[in-house]
Amino acid sequence: QKEVEQDPGPLSVPEGAIVSLNCTYSNSAFQYFMWYRQYSRKGPELLMYTYSSGNKEDGRFTAQVDKSSKYISLFIRDSQPSDSATYLCATSRNYGGSQGNLIFGKGTKLSVKP
Amino acid sequence: DAGVTQSPTHLIKTRGQQVTLRCSPKSGHDTVSWYQQALGQGPQFIFQYYEEEERQRGNFPDRFSGHQFPNYSSELNVNALLLGDSALYLCASSLERVNTEAFFGQGTRLTVV
Repeated sequence: QKEVEQDPGPLSVPEGAIVSLNCTYSNSAFQYFMWYRQYSRKGPELLMYTYSSGNKEDGRFTAQVDKSSKYISLFIRDSQPSDSATYLCATSRNYGGSQGNLIFGKGTKLSVKP
Repeated sequence: DAGVTQSPTHLIKTRGQQVTLRCSPKSGHDTVSWYQQALGQGPQFIFQYYEEEERQRGNFPDRFSGHQFPNYSSELNVNALLLGDSALYLCASSLERVNTEAFFGQGTRLTVV
């Protein structure tokens, strides 16, 4: 079983739709969870960063962690064509924090159509 | 404030050759991690450097080695290149303390022919 699983998509939605992106993970010791956005031919850009369970909101983006089911989600409200990118979920093997040794999902390619 | 910078941006090498990739961390950061991202995959952790020493290593062969300099910049060296080493190589920098974020550079795209 892979440590982090993510459906690669692709996912295509109309502009203004609510987008739901999801990952599962295998190790209950993981505590830090991240969502990165990666545009084509660019490096990943950190979008959201959460610790343990719960929700975190930043503008149109909401990250959720459910440690009981080992499930992490990213919601994008009022999606825009500029949101078209690959979204990567990640967690850290460094249980005490310190953002090294990240484990990534495969990434979900999102396309938002005008 | 300059972010993480990597050089070169693109590189083409022949199988069996050696390559060196370079990374300058974000200002104020002291820890550098390297990742390999194959096409259509998420990045995979190669190793991390802190205080000029390799502190953690992922599941990569000894052909992959690195170095960190006193100014915190870093190099990734790959010997005896294989076709399968073709990938985007990403450098991420962070600060050695709890709850700090990792920032990625734009990557170096290596093609082995």
